[in-house]
Amino acid sequence: QSALTQPASVSGSPGQSITISCTGTSSDVGSYTLVSWYQQHPGKAPKLMIYEVSKRPSGVSNRFSASKSGNTASLTISGLQAEDEAAYYCCSYAGTGTSYVFGTGTKVTVL
Amino acid sequence: EVQLVESGGGLVQPGRSLRLSCEASGFTFDDYAMHWVRQGPGKGLEWVSGISWNSGNIDYADSVKGRFTISRDNAQNSLYLQMNSLRAEDTALYYCAKDSGYTSGRIEFWGQGTLVTVSS
Repeated sequence: QSALTQPASVSGSPGQSITISCTGTSSDVGSYTLVSWYQQHPGKAPKLMIYEVSKRPSGVSNRFSASKSGNTASLTISGLQAEDEAAYYCCSYAGTGTSYVFGTGTKVTVL
Repeated sequence: EVQLVESGGGLVQPGRSLRLSCEASGFTFDDYAMHWVRQGPGKGLEWVSGISWNSGNIDYADSVKGRFTISRDNAQNSLYLQMNSLRAEDTALYYCAKDSGYTSGRIEFWGQGTLVTVSS
């Protein structure tokens, strides 16, 4: 149950696109489509942004997109806005019952 | 409107016990798996434990296995986490979270959390 690996920080200017990677193993990310992404602003609860690798819940901007290749999932934020500044976490089903594993988290800074 | 309200956190000495509760409303509680996820001060999210809709599947992170026990009372729309032999590294904000499925799928909604501090 090792945490999925994400870059500690990513930054970009308003209007730019950034991509956050999430690297797991063949036991989690590589084996399941149950990969999700969460946005967390300081002092707030996490918010689901992407589920099942690339699906967006109702109400989430289409500036957020995601994909997966092998053991690595990726989240892309296009048209970066000041409100996107937050921590982002990936999460994968871990293969047994109800278990999940989270990524280490990425702090996104809008320059 | 889905609501998850955690309670039971507080300051506790190392080695002691604490029981967290989560009261759910706004959805059919016994149709969904539920989880506890924690976040240490300044740290990332850590999945702690999950329980399926009928308590038939129960899982724990290695870091808490043998010390923590998750349970649910579908008649009371409530989720619990019994935490024994607490350690300093268990200090965190503990979130109650709702899954999208009976057993697994995605964690789709979170409460606001209850703070547990383990210190002498």
